[in-house]
Amino acid sequence: DQQVKQNSPSLSVQEGRISILNCDYTNSMFDYFLWYKKYPAEGPTFLISISSIKDKNEDGRFTVFLNKSAKHLSLHIVPSQPGDSAVYFCAASGGGAQKLVFGQGTRLTINP
Amino acid sequence: ETGVTQTPRHLVMGMTNKKSLKCEQHLGHNAMYWYKQSAKKPLELMFVYNFKEQTENNSVPSRFSPECPNSSHLFLHLHTLQPEDSALYLCASSQGSAGANVLTFGAGSRLTVL
Repeated sequence: DQQVKQNSPSLSVQEGRISILNCDYTNSMFDYFLWYKKYPAEGPTFLISISSIKDKNEDGRFTVFLNKSAKHLSLHIVPSQPGDSAVYFCAASGGGAQKLVFGQGTRLTINP
Repeated sequence: ETGVTQTPRHLVMGMTNKKSLKCEQHLGHNAMYWYKQSAKKPLELMFVYNFKEQTENNSVPSRFSPECPNSSHLFLHLHTLQPEDSALYLCASSQGSAGANVLTFGAGSRLTVL
């Protein structure tokens, strides 16, 4: 049973426009959600996180929105830049567990 | 060296070989992790160590044997692997404190089992 799901394997967006990456979860015990970005031949790097007591967290061009009632979160990147082309992973933790549970990832391609 | 360093970056081994993956973190973190990334699958947690003690084993087959001699080093010993074990093995570390448990990952070791 996959507790964190990213249903879109890929997304293509034009440079300068907004990229929206989505993530759904099933475990209501999760209390932190994180987004990671991964380039080929590199490990995932942390982008932004949000606590379950908030509904929005912003850091520069990156904003994460959390809808607890829908068990859904999204990452908005605006404006999108060519360097944003990567695989993005959604992850969650909580319920007293230390580990991060990851989604399958979404490959984002920013077209010039 | 900074961050989390993994060696080797690439490894090809036969099913009867014994090899080891090494991970070293230079961040002063207390927790270390092994994750496995197979094609088109989520990252799967394998093991968690806190202050050198194993605190989680995610039902990993015994052909994978972790070792954590201190809080900065983590090994994954491999023996009699199967072709389906071919994957990217990622090491990570974290402070292990309350709040968002931000993991810092290494670049991974790409394993191919023939």
